[in-house]
Amino acid sequence: QVQLVESGGGVVQPGRSLRLSCAASRLSFSTAGMHWVRQAPGKGLEWVAVISYDGSKKYYADSVKGRFTISRDNSKNTLYLQVNSARPEDTAVYYCAKEFGGPVSGGFDYWGQGTLVTVSS
Amino acid sequence: EIVLTQSPATLSLSPGERATLSCRASQSINGYLAWYQQKPGQAPRLLVFDASNRVTGIPARFSGTGSGTDFTLTISSLEPEDFAVYYCQQRSNWPPAFGGGTKVEIK
Repeated sequence: QVQLVESGGGVVQPGRSLRLSCAASRLSFSTAGMHWVRQAPGKGLEWVAVISYDGSKKYYADSVKGRFTISRDNSKNTLYLQVNSARPEDTAVYYCAKEFGGPVSGGFDYWGQGTLVTVSS
Repeated sequence: EIVLTQSPATLSLSPGERATLSCRASQSINGYLAWYQQKPGQAPRLLVFDASNRVTGIPARFSGTGSGTDFTLTISSLEPEDFAVYYCQQRSNWPPAFGGGTKVEIK
């Protein structure tokens, strides 16, 4: 079955960096737009970033613009999120999700299990 | 920026009862609304897309309606596994956004 597996989470000090990964298997990764969505402890879902199927287009939420970078390696079926200048408010479970349907229609039909990022000194 | 407002925040119902969840957009999003279910410790699961299209494998007791700014997710008869948090989502306008969620809890 389709799998998305995130890794790279952990405890990071404010101002430091880390890179999250999302490994995809048994899905058409290279033809799908991919997203990062996060969820702070006990809170709702917050969309973070999207990358087009070929990596040519990238968009970010205002809350992370200039600090986070989304990228992908289709040869490795892997999505990345580089988190720089981490802030306490970035503390959350980070999910990768596959886009279904198109840029406005459809939704996110596959999700990873999430990786927890805790920003704390 | 479009804001999605979900109501009620919490819905207390018994198994077998009907659940009606609302999602209101601050401006028209045409029919481009999705609904997700999230259980504790799990990732969200897509239930309905484009307002009324049920995802393959989702039980028929889940149905979505609406257009423009007002949308509804109805669970016709609650099963024990349906008690969870439900989120709506729009990608019609930039940036993509989720509603704040409705928790359906056992009464």
